[in-house]
Amino acid sequence: AAGVIQSPRHLIKEKRETATLKCYPIPRHDTVYWYQQGPGQDPQFLISFYEKMQSDKGSIPDRFSAQQFSDYHSELNMSSLELGDSALYFCASSLVGEQYFGPGTRLTVT
Amino acid sequence: GENVEQHPSTLSVQEGDSAVIKCTYSDSASNYFPWYKQELGKRPQLIIDIRSNVGEKKDQRIAVTLNKTAKHFSLHITETQPEDSAVYFCAARSSGGGADGLTFGKGTHLIIQP
Repeated sequence: AAGVIQSPRHLIKEKRETATLKCYPIPRHDTVYWYQQGPGQDPQFLISFYEKMQSDKGSIPDRFSAQQFSDYHSELNMSSLELGDSALYFCASSLVGEQYFGPGTRLTVT
Repeated sequence: GENVEQHPSTLSVQEGDSAVIKCTYSDSASNYFPWYKQELGKRPQLIIDIRSNVGEKKDQRIAVTLNKTAKHFSLHITETQPEDSAVYFCAARSSGGGADGLTFGKGTHLIIQP
């Protein structure tokens, strides 16, 4: 079965740079979620989109923004990167509430 | 906002024994409670979930129970196997809607001793 696709899988950026993470949900899933997971920590909810509209907002920094496009893929844009932004970023998708996670993007900020 | 507490943080059991992980939540409006298994460096994998209109759900060796009055839910794994070793996260979602984000517990590192 098709799963959530995320790209890139690994990303290395320097402080103050920008990064864009992409997420392609499971076909026919209309909702996308973004989570951030630091080493040894639980996933922290950032933001979600339903039918291309922002649905719920969690602990997303003002430096980050996201959107969902007409084909339901989503992008998380991160600006003015800080060392503390180094983490695994997961995208999840759902159709009726069950959230299925993608493989994640490991972001390292140096 | 929602707060989810999870215990224990580490659980070591002998292969073949049962394991129980417990979580409590704070928001009485929460209505959806999934459990995820995560291996090191991998994605969280949904293993079972329960909704607030159900008290118990079972899938082979895994079961989840929910006590809405006490606001706690538990994961039960029977006949544990080495491949059950992983970090397990409980989570809760408020009733705002299906597109709301999950609030996770801090995780339980389950170790299956051969």
